[in-house]
Amino acid sequence: QLQLQESGSGLVKPSQTLSLTCAVSGGSISSGGYSWSWIRQPPGKGLEWIGYIYHSGTTSYNPSLESRVTMSVDKSKNQFSLKLNSVTAADTAIYYCARRRQRSRLFGGVIDYYYYMDAWGNGTTVTVSS
Amino acid sequence: SYVLTQPPSVSVAPGQTARVTCGRDNIGTKSVHWYQQKPGQAPLVVVYNVIERPSGIPERFSGSNSGNTATLTISGVEAGDEADYYCQVWDTSASPPFVFGTGTKVTVL
Repeated sequence: QLQLQESGSGLVKPSQTLSLTCAVSGGSISSGGYSWSWIRQPPGKGLEWIGYIYHSGTTSYNPSLESRVTMSVDKSKNQFSLKLNSVTAADTAIYYCARRRQRSRLFGGVIDYYYYMDAWGNGTTVTVSS
Repeated sequence: SYVLTQPPSVSVAPGQTARVTCGRDNIGTKSVHWYQQKPGQAPLVVVYNVIERPSGIPERFSGSNSGNTATLTISGVEAGDEADYYCQVWDTSASPPFVFGTGTKVTVL
């Protein structure tokens, strides 16, 4: 059974860097057909995709956060990480790590790839405050 | 910006059918996925690729998608189904390409 566990700084001062790590157990971070994502949820609000990383190190970030986000992967430790710099109060949220699964379907005679999150960590609360 | 529009709330009596919609132009051409999030918990996928259910998800959860609306249907609603529900698509023409819906609170009366 795949498990993901977030860890990292729960309180970050404005303008500083938020750092989180997601430890993966019960499966390999190098498994084909998957990438590894971060999603956040501000208090009382909806879900926001931050980005994903493949075990190769290839990344894709939400354009609204791209200038402040860095993701990395450590295959030896079976974990991946998120750094978000220059944080403000608007970055206060629950941060989730998740596994993004790639599947394909035949639609209109064409192979169409789709992606969804099939496993999530429990989430970690990050508060930005002085 | 790319928005998947969901009704903020849906109320349903136990045993009845709840329908949660997710609207966007031509969403019928997309593979839509649905997540359930109970208070204090992480989201859980209940339907993926429009109609597929992960192992362990009851048959009461089903999906459909056509035209401009995708729908999650919960038949024979139980008290334990009370939660927030989010739709999600992957669309390379959108920014960002990984998009969640606005979310719907399903209340069991």
